Amino acid sequence: EPEVTQTPSHQVTQMGQEVILRCVPISNHLYFYWYRQILGQKVEFLVSFYNNEISEKSEIFDDQFSVERPDGSNFTLKIRSTKLEDSAMYFCASSKKREGTEAFFGQGTRLTVV
Amino acid sequence: KQEVTQIPAALSVPEGENLVLNCSFTDSAIYNLQWFRQDPGKGLTSLLLIQSSQREQTSGRLNASLDKSSGRSTLYIAASQPGDSATYLCAASNTGKLIFGQGTTLQVKP
Repeated sequence: EPEVTQTPSHQVTQMGQEVILRCVPISNHLYFYWYRQILGQKVEFLVSFYNNEISEKSEIFDDQFSVERPDGSNFTLKIRSTKLEDSAMYFCASSKKREGTEAFFGQGTRLTVV
Repeated sequence: KQEVTQIPAALSVPEGENLVLNCSFTDSAIYNLQWFRQDPGKGLTSLLLIQSSQREQTSGRLNASLDKSSGRSTLYIAASQPGDSATYLCAASNTGKLIFGQGTTLQVKP
């Protein structure tokens, strides 16, 4: 069964460093998302991406964040200068349509900023 | 602004019980509602999707209902098993993005 894959599963980085989290969405899906979950808190929407551009972003998704689909399969989230409060589980998701179809999530990347 | 709430936050039941998890949302203008399962430290596994035009969906021992007018959804789990122990999340969607509740952590005791 097709699945969303994320790498790495765990990333430790020093405060101020740049990190890139990688995702391979399901191949025939057109809508891509990033969410994050701080330990013990709700899963929060960060950004949605369609047709090679951001379609919606949350207040969390400030200038430190960017997303890219560098080729036909990968979808990346870059954090330019990590802060301690960026420590969280980051989930990538994809769906066939914007509405009416299931969103499928990857297993997540646990980002620890020290 | 859409807000999603799940009650109870935690639930412990003996094996074999039927149980109901509750989800409420403040904005009834949703396109769909999705239920997920999350095991500790793991990703989100989609369980059921209910589109706004539907009243319920079933998959195996799971049945999810949706009442848009009252802003409620329920997940019914029949004949619970220890393997059902996990956190169950509901999420409402009205622009493609999902707005999540805080989850119900279920423990099913053998």
